[in-house]
Amino acid sequence: AQKVTQAQTEISVVEKEDVTLDCVYETRDTTYYLFWYKQPPSGELVFLIRRNSFDEQNEISGRYSWNFQKSTSSFNFTITASQVVDSAVYFCALSEAGTGFQKLVFGTGTRLLVSP
Amino acid sequence: DAGVTQSPTHLIKTRGQQVTLRCSPISGHKSVSWYQQVLGQGPQFIFQYYEKEERGRGNFPDRFSARQFPNYSSELNVNALLLGDSALYLCASSQPGGLAGGKYNEQFFGPGTRLTVL
Repeated sequence: AQKVTQAQTEISVVEKEDVTLDCVYETRDTTYYLFWYKQPPSGELVFLIRRNSFDEQNEISGRYSWNFQKSTSSFNFTITASQVVDSAVYFCALSEAGTGFQKLVFGTGTRLLVSP
Repeated sequence: DAGVTQSPTHLIKTRGQQVTLRCSPISGHKSVSWYQQVLGQGPQFIFQYYEKEERGRGNFPDRFSARQFPNYSSELNVNALLLGDSALYLCASSQPGGLAGGKYNEQFFGPGTRLTVL
C-alpha cells in the first residue's frame, strides 16, 4: 500500500529563517516518483519538484533544496532564507509506476507560516 | 498558453442533489485526472481519463462518475450528494505517456471547484 506521512501539521517561522518540511513515504514498488506541491490560499496546486526512485541526488533550486534518502524512505524539503511569499500549504506526494496510471497519493500537508 | 480551467469556481447544493463539474485541460494534453480535497486534508485521487477512457479509479463510490470528450475536456458528476462531499475538486491534465515506459509526465492542476453541500 502507498502512504505519505507529513508529521508536521503547521510550522511558523520568521522571515529569513531556514525551514525543513519532512516527508516519509511507504511503497512496495521499486519504481516510483516523489513530488512536492505548493498550495497557496488561492487553492491551485503548484508543482515544485519530481524525483524518481533511481535518482537519489539531492537537488537545489534557488532557495529550495530537496533531500531524498531511500534508506529512510524520506524526501525532505528545505527552504533557505524563508520569505513571506513562501507561506502556503506544502504537500508531498507519491506515484507508483506499477499502477499503470498516474495516481498521486498525497500526504496531509504542512502549513508554513512565514511572518515578517 | 492557458492553464487548466475549471468551472464553476464555487457551487452550493443541498443533500440528495446532483452536480456536474467541468474541466478543460491545457492545450495538447490528452489526459485528465480528478481529485477531491476535503478541508485540512491532501487531495484524494478519484479518476484518470485518457483518450476518453477511464484508466484508473480511486476508492470512491459509484455516485461519482466522469467522462472525457473528444476535445479532451472532462466532466465529473456526483449523484445523491452527501454532506461529506463538500470539498475542493481539483482537475489535473498531463501529456500522454505512462509510467510503464519510464516516462512520467507532470500533472498540472487547475484552480479547483469548491463544492458546498448543505
